[in-house]
Amino acid sequence: EAGVAQSPRYKIIEKRQSVAFWCNPISGHATLYWYQQILGQGPKLLIQFQNNGVVDDSQLPKDRFSAERLKGVDSTLKIQPAKLEDSAVYLCASSLAPQETQYFGPGTRLLVL
Amino acid sequence: GNSVTQMEGPVTLSEEAFLTINCTYTATGYPSLFWYVQYPGEGLQLLLKATKADDKGSNKGFEATYRKETTSFHLEKGSVQVSDSAVYFCALSDRWQLTFGSGTQLTVLP
Repeated sequence: EAGVAQSPRYKIIEKRQSVAFWCNPISGHATLYWYQQILGQGPKLLIQFQNNGVVDDSQLPKDRFSAERLKGVDSTLKIQPAKLEDSAVYLCASSLAPQETQYFGPGTRLLVL
Repeated sequence: GNSVTQMEGPVTLSEEAFLTINCTYTATGYPSLFWYVQYPGEGLQLLLKATKADDKGSNKGFEATYRKETTSFHLEKGSVQVSDSAVYFCALSDRWQLTFGSGTQLTVLP
């Protein structure tokens, strides 16, 4: 069974630029999550989707971050404009249902200069 | 709110040493508890889990027991290997959201 796929694996941008990350969850997984992992910390949930609807985006900085999951499969997370403090690893995870085990992708490491 | 407190690292052990990484939690309700492992350059992998009090999760020689009375879920392994070098995260799930600890870096020397 293929795991959660993410791209790109690494991205370096300058502050105030925009960037987008892509995630393809495990086939059949209805629930998709985006996490931000700052160096030395545990992952923090940014947004959770159930199919193509948002379940929780309370920790998403909506002035600069946006996410969508069109057709309830792939998802894109965008940052515009980026700030220095956005430097982190962005992890995507998926699960069959909200209370089931979450499976994580390899992450996208973002460096904002 | 929910929170997870992990033993601070880094932890350095010699091969075949005994490992304990402490984890305590605060939660309303009855959470499920997890240990995730992150190898260098990789995403998080589920190592083991326990869904109710007194359950023991185990995998790859690692064990952790859900202790409701002490709100703990300590990770143990009797004999670590160099390949166990990674960052270990304790987490809890209340309903459907994971809350992670800050992670413990483990280095095992040959």
